[in-house]
Amino acid sequence: DAKTTQPPSMDCAEGRAANLPCNHSTISGNEYVYWYRQIHSQGPQYIIHGLKNNETNEMASLIITEDRKSSTLILPHATLRDTAVYYCIVRAGGTSYGKLTFGQGTILTVHP
Amino acid sequence: ETGVTQSPTHLIKTRGQQVTLRCSSQSGHNTVSWYQQALGQGPQFIFQYYREEENGRGNFPPRFSGLQFPNYSSELNVNALELDDSALYLCASSLGTGLANNEQFFGPGTRLTVL
Repeated sequence: DAKTTQPPSMDCAEGRAANLPCNHSTISGNEYVYWYRQIHSQGPQYIIHGLKNNETNEMASLIITEDRKSSTLILPHATLRDTAVYYCIVRAGGTSYGKLTFGQGTILTVHP
Repeated sequence: ETGVTQSPTHLIKTRGQQVTLRCSSQSGHNTVSWYQQALGQGPQFIFQYYREEENGRGNFPPRFSGLQFPNYSSELNVNALELDDSALYLCASSLGTGLANNEQFFGPGTRLTVL
């Protein structure tokens, strides 16, 4: 699986959009981009994933660049409960083998 | 729909002992993965079970072993515990379909402390 690079920490004001970047310059054509988050002392929570196209769900939007070498997770209106570690993960397709390779992630702190 | 549950929540053992951690998959899921998360680190993949067979393993020694039962619940067994085994152990279930876009749902974890 391709390696990802994320900033170690970010801050965001409550109510503003949080934009979390991820670099995955060695991504292969069949690899998906996944985002998970982990609130303190809980298990990771799935947020969103995508292959090429931008994706949106009730939690967030995922913007993937045309060359697929980077992506941005957008939380449109951050709340204090969004304070967590956010993990960007790249994972191969075409298999039921479910290994997720977590890096250090980005610690997002949402301030009042 | 019942989520992923794990037991026990916390556990304290001493070096050399053996431990068994348990996981119940989310309803309808046939795949279980186990992860170890040391303090301040991201989760590290231990192994995965698909339809009662191990079908992938991370860089963990053989004293880490597992089982998956016909109802798709799972156990993680660790023998000869070492101090470095102290960690949060996470179980994740998913529906294995041969496709990658099957997200994993994590349980709350078991906090193991080895003294």
